[in-house]
This record gives sequence, structure tokens and C-alpha cells, in this order.
Amino acid sequence: QQQVKQSPQSLIVQKGGIPIINCAYENTAFDYFPWYQQFPGKGPALLIAIRPDVSEKKEGRFTISFNKSAKQFSLHIMDSQPGDSATYFCAASSMNYGGSQGNLIFGKGTKLSVKP
Amino acid sequence: DAGITQSPRHKVTETGTPVTLRCHQTENHRYMYWYRQDPGHGLRLIHYSYGVKDTDKGEVSDGYSVSRSKTEDFLLTLESATSSQTSVYFCAISEFGQDFGGELFFGEGSRLTVL
Repeated sequence: QQQVKQSPQSLIVQKGGIPIINCAYENTAFDYFPWYQQFPGKGPALLIAIRPDVSEKKEGRFTISFNKSAKQFSLHIMDSQPGDSATYFCAASSMNYGGSQGNLIFGKGTKLSVKP
Repeated sequence: DAGITQSPRHKVTETGTPVTLRCHQTENHRYMYWYRQDPGHGLRLIHYSYGVKDTDKGEVSDGYSVSRSKTEDFLLTLESATSSQTSVYFCAISEFGQDFGGELFFGEGSRLTVL
């Protein structure tokens, strides 16, 4: 119930395409859903995050769509560029839990390649 | 970039030897974390600290210990390294706990190979 399932594992798109990465969760107590972006040889960095009181959030070319009833959320990258090539991790946590129970649960990651 | 320094950045060791990885921060953040990253497993929490001398276990804590004697330093120790502990280890810091949506700032990682 603590898992966050991420798909696909890898994704190749052409420049200008719209890659979509999906995540699903079981724990209805989760109420914070961030996406982290990791470039090769670097540590992950927060890209965008959403809470379940909204169904969509946009920051630049990056959009999170959230479907509370389906317990799914996804990342869309509009007009993708080769510089977006990275590994993307979704995650989830709950403010209802304290201590170690409240730590983020990460998906297994999606390696995105954007071809020129 | 957040002031996080991990050392060593690369280490090769032999099975059974002790290994200590160091994370040093200059942000004065309360929370510090150690993660390991492995292909097909993503990021998994090993241990974390919510203050000086206050630590707790994460998802994959077996075989690891931690210590935090100062706000700025968080040490990860493998008492007797095994090949299964070959991984890339990331330190992360946050001002607020993850249960409050605290943003994680990651270091650049320490690649450990256990032969």
C-alpha cells in the first residue's frame, strides 16, 4: 500500500513531442505528489509538485495532471527538448503521518531521451 | 545550488571492510537523509535525521548505521561492506520534514563499489 508505481521505465521521443509519465498509488492518505528530475551524474532536483486539492498544475512546459478518484498522477512535458533528457521520479507522502511514516515514497524512475 | 558536499565521491572497497560516507551541509537545515539509488529500484531511504543526535530508520536500513553529532554533518557507515551495498548513495537535506512537503535538496552522490 506504500508503493508508488511508475511507468514507463524508459521513453524516447522526438524533439517537440509530448512525453507522458504516469504514476499510480494505493494509499489514499497520500496528499503531496512531487516530481524530481535527475540529470546524469547529478542528484535529483524538485521539478514540480501538486496537492490533491487541484487537478492540474503547470510550471512552464511541465504539467502535472492529478486524478484523485483513480489514484493516479502524471507528468506531461510540452514541446520537449533534448535538454529535457533525464530520469524523472514521481513520489508521494502524507501529512497525516509523522516521523518515518511521513517520508516520501519514490517511484522507480523513467529515463527520458529526447532526440533532436 | 544548495550547499551539500558528499565525500568521497567515488570509492572502491573490499567485502568485509568498514566504509564511512560523509555529508556536509552549509544550509543549516534540520533534516538530513541518506538514500541509495539502484537500477530498477529508484531512490530508497536508508536513514534520516531530524536533528542533532536524532536519527531514524528508513526503508532499507539493514547493514547501515548513521550519526549526526553536528547540524552540518551526517555520516553513513557500513560496518562490514557487502557486494549488495554497491550503489550510488545520495545525501539530501530539507528545511521541513517530508511529511510537511519539505523540498529535498540532493548532493551529487557517492559511488561505492564493493568487490
